[in-house]
Amino acid sequence: DAGVIQSPRHEVTEMGQEVTLRCKPISGHNSLFWYRQTMMRGLELLIYFNNNVPIDDSGMPEDRFSAKMPNASFSTLKIQPSEPRDSAVYFCASSFVGAAYEQYFGPGTRLTVT
Amino acid sequence: GESVGLHLPTLSVQEGDNSIINCAYSNSASDYFIWYKQESGKGPQFIIDIRSNMDKRQGQRVTVLLNKTVKHLSLQIAATQPGDSAVYFCAEGGGGADGLTFGKGTHLIIQP
Repeated sequence: DAGVIQSPRHEVTEMGQEVTLRCKPISGHNSLFWYRQTMMRGLELLIYFNNNVPIDDSGMPEDRFSAKMPNASFSTLKIQPSEPRDSAVYFCASSFVGAAYEQYFGPGTRLTVT
Repeated sequence: GESVGLHLPTLSVQEGDNSIINCAYSNSASDYFIWYKQESGKGPQFIIDIRSNMDKRQGQRVTVLLNKTVKHLSLQIAATQPGDSAVYFCAEGGGGADGLTFGKGTHLIIQP
């Protein structure tokens, strides 16, 4: 059974470039979460969706960050333009709606902005 | 001022001994609490959860204790094995929101 799938696993880009991170949740799960992990701030929630609808985006750092979930099996997190301080590991997690106490995480995308 | 990174607490345990990892949580309105294990280069892996109306829950080789009076959570791992080496995070959620709030993490090191 495939878990949460994220791509790319590693991304290196230059400041000012657009970055798109992708996530495929576990089949059947209808809640999807984006988190960011840095040494400075640990693991932080950025945004989450229930049934493809964004519910809480208060963790999104600023307008340079946007997330979409066009269907139940795909979500993107976009940073435009990227900055060096966006360097982090970005995780996607999924769960059933109402069962967010059991979220399953993907392997993460390690983003480096130079 | 100069910024510093997180300095994770470290717990060093002999193989075969029991480990106890502690966590203080912040929101008394949280409905559930979860322990995750994160190995180097991987995403957090779900271990066990406990609801706010419980004070103890047991899994395979793990026990989670919840003390709401002092907002304290602990994870006990029995007969610690080399494969238990990882960073362990507690997380809290609920109270009207599904996103999790994570603690800083504890690095568990197993001595042979």
